[in-house]
Amino acid sequence: NAGVTQTPKFQVLKTGQSMTLQCAQDMNHEYMSWYRQDPGMGLRLIHYSVGAGITDQGEVPNGYNVSRSTTEDFPLRLLSAAPSQTSVYFCASRPRRRTNEKLFFGSGTQLSVL
Amino acid sequence: EDQVTQSPEALRLQEGESSSLNCSYTVSGLRGLFWYRQDPGKGPEFLFTLYSAGEEKEKERLKATLTKKESFLHITAPKPEDSATYLCAVQDLTTGNQFYFGTGTSLTVIP
Repeated sequence: NAGVTQTPKFQVLKTGQSMTLQCAQDMNHEYMSWYRQDPGMGLRLIHYSVGAGITDQGEVPNGYNVSRSTTEDFPLRLLSAAPSQTSVYFCASRPRRRTNEKLFFGSGTQLSVL
Repeated sequence: EDQVTQSPEALRLQEGESSSLNCSYTVSGLRGLFWYRQDPGKGPEFLFTLYSAGEEKEKERLKATLTKKESFLHITAPKPEDSATYLCAVQDLTTGNQFYFGTGTSLTVIP
């Protein structure tokens, strides 16, 4: 099993550009989520999904869009990138049926917005 | 409001020098407390889950304990390969789909 796969590993954007961060998992996990990690701050939840067709906002959703058309994929879209979105982004998944199950993380995408 | 505070921010130990990392938390109801290890340039990797006060779990040189207000990660006779950032996260009973993470403790073990 590959686990949780994120692409790209690194990305540099100019202010105002749009892009999609990809996340795929092969563990048949219903729950998928996106976090951002910034220096001096804990991982913060952006959006999450409990199954195909179902998404919800986390703690810091502004400026980001998500959709979940399949169980395997959960892309994160930046509609108009801003320097404040410079961060490391992590995708994480877990089985839904046990809500206190641990999260499995991808290896991250380091994003710089100039 | 759910909060997670980890201390110290950074810790340098000599190889073999045991110590403890602290995670204090405030939640309306604890569903679970999680410890993760994160190496530079990688995603967090799961270590332990604790569910109720008094619970303890061990893995090699690591032992996690839980009280009603805090958790400790005890590191016994650490080795250089234990160097990493250790993250604590809590899951609230009322917001089960959200995990609240602390800022982590960066551990360096010197040979």
